[in-house]
Amino acid sequence: KQEVTQIPAALSVPEGENLVLNCSFTDSAIYNLQWFRQDPGKGLTSLLLIQSSQREQTSGRLNASLDKSSGRSTLYIAASQPGDSATYLCAVRPAGTALIFGKGTTLSVSS
Amino acid sequence: NAGVMQNPRHLVRRRGQEARLRCSPMKGHSHVYWYRQLPEEGLKFMVYLQKENIIDESGMPKERFSAEFPKEGPSILRIQQVVRGDSAAYFCASSDRDRQPRETQYFGPGTRLLVL
Repeated sequence: KQEVTQIPAALSVPEGENLVLNCSFTDSAIYNLQWFRQDPGKGLTSLLLIQSSQREQTSGRLNASLDKSSGRSTLYIAASQPGDSATYLCAVRPAGTALIFGKGTTLSVSS
Repeated sequence: NAGVMQNPRHLVRRRGQEARLRCSPMKGHSHVYWYRQLPEEGLKFMVYLQKENIIDESGMPKERFSAEFPKEGPSILRIQQVVRGDSAAYFCASSDRDRQPRETQYFGPGTRLLVL
């Protein structure tokens, strides 16, 4: 049974710091892995999607990596800003089924 | 192109009442997923539907919950005889699954259900 774990559960950093969020999954048989952002009381915004054949994806200050064999992904945020404060969710898509989510990392960036 | 729409955004029900949650997928999308986010929990898959068909309902509770996606109109998640444990945020996502494995699911803003 696929399980997704995100560490840490919460993180507080000062503005400008570079940071890494971690995601691990137990079954390497996945189509893709996706990172989402969720603001309080809001829906999910897709940040990056990495196909199983890819190693990383970049969008602006965000970089996500995928090591399928070890069941790990990281989301790197460069030069963090207060507007980055949100909960970040990692989700994997096993073949043919819906997304399986971790519980998320709640990030707080102070100015 | 409007995104995924869900209504109502907030819904309050008393125990024993029925809750109906609606989801209109993005234009051109014919695949809908429903997820539930309980307090302090991650999102959990409930059901996957195509137009007029339930494809995978392995995440749906066996009783009181049902879902449909008719040929015309939005997808409906229906909860009968609600209990306090049904209080959660319910998210709908849609996709153009023909593009798999590059499929991206686009999420709506969610419906927050509170059962008193």
